[in-house]
Amino acid sequence: SAVISQKPSRDICQRGTSLTIQCQVDSQVTMMFWYRQQPGQSLTLIATANQGSEATYESGFVIDKFPISRPNLTFSTLTVSNMSPEDSSIYLCSAMLQGWQNTEAFFGQGTRLTVV
Amino acid sequence: KQEVTQIPAALSVPEGENLVLNCSFTDSAIYNLQWFRQDPGKGLTSLLLIQSSQREQTSGRLNASLDKSSGRSTLYIAASQPGDSATYLCAVRSGGGADGLTFGKGTHLIIQP
Repeated sequence: SAVISQKPSRDICQRGTSLTIQCQVDSQVTMMFWYRQQPGQSLTLIATANQGSEATYESGFVIDKFPISRPNLTFSTLTVSNMSPEDSSIYLCSAMLQGWQNTEAFFGQGTRLTVV
Repeated sequence: KQEVTQIPAALSVPEGENLVLNCSFTDSAIYNLQWFRQDPGKGLTSLLLIQSSQREQTSGRLNASLDKSSGRSTLYIAASQPGDSATYLCAVRSGGGADGLTFGKGTHLIIQP
C-alpha cells in the first residue's frame, strides 16, 4: 500500500486569493491524480499530474484555475486560483500503485477548503 | 463517457444483519473496479480491488463481486457492526492506461447498535 500525506488538512480562505495544496507519497509512483468532492457529491477527477510535463485536465477544468506541479515521482501540488465560494470543496490527492498483478488507487486524507 | 450508479443512496439496518450494496457502470470496458469507504471528514480507504478478469474478491467480512458483461458489482457485508457505518463508494478505472477513476455517488450506511 501507499501512504499519502496532504497538507493543509483544512483552510478557510478569502475570495480572490489562491491556495496551494501539497501531496507527498511515501514511495515512487507513476500516476498521481487530483480530485474534487463538492458538498454532498461524489469525487470528480480534476487532472492527472504528469511528472516532467504539463498536467492533463478533465473536461470542465483548466490550467489557469487549477495549476498543478509534479516535480518528481513522490510529490505534487494543486493550486486553486482566484477562489470563489463555489470552490468550497474537499480536494483529494490520489496515487496509483502498480502491483505485480493489479494497479490500485490510494488517497490522501483530503483538504477541506472553505471560501468566504 | 463512463457513468457509475450506486443503489441504494442510503441504508440503515440493525447491527448483525448481512447487507448488499449495488454498483452499476455503463461501459463494460473497464480495467478494474474498487470499493472504498469514506468516513465523515476523512479521505478514502480502499476496501477491495477487483481486476476485470476476476469475479470476486474477499477481505474479512467483505466480499465484492464483479459481472463485467452486465456492468454490475456488489459489495456484501456480513454480520454488520456499528463501526461499518460510513459512505461506501464504488469506482471504476476504464482502459489500461493513465485514466483516473470514475466514482458513483456512494451509499451512506448506518448500522444501528
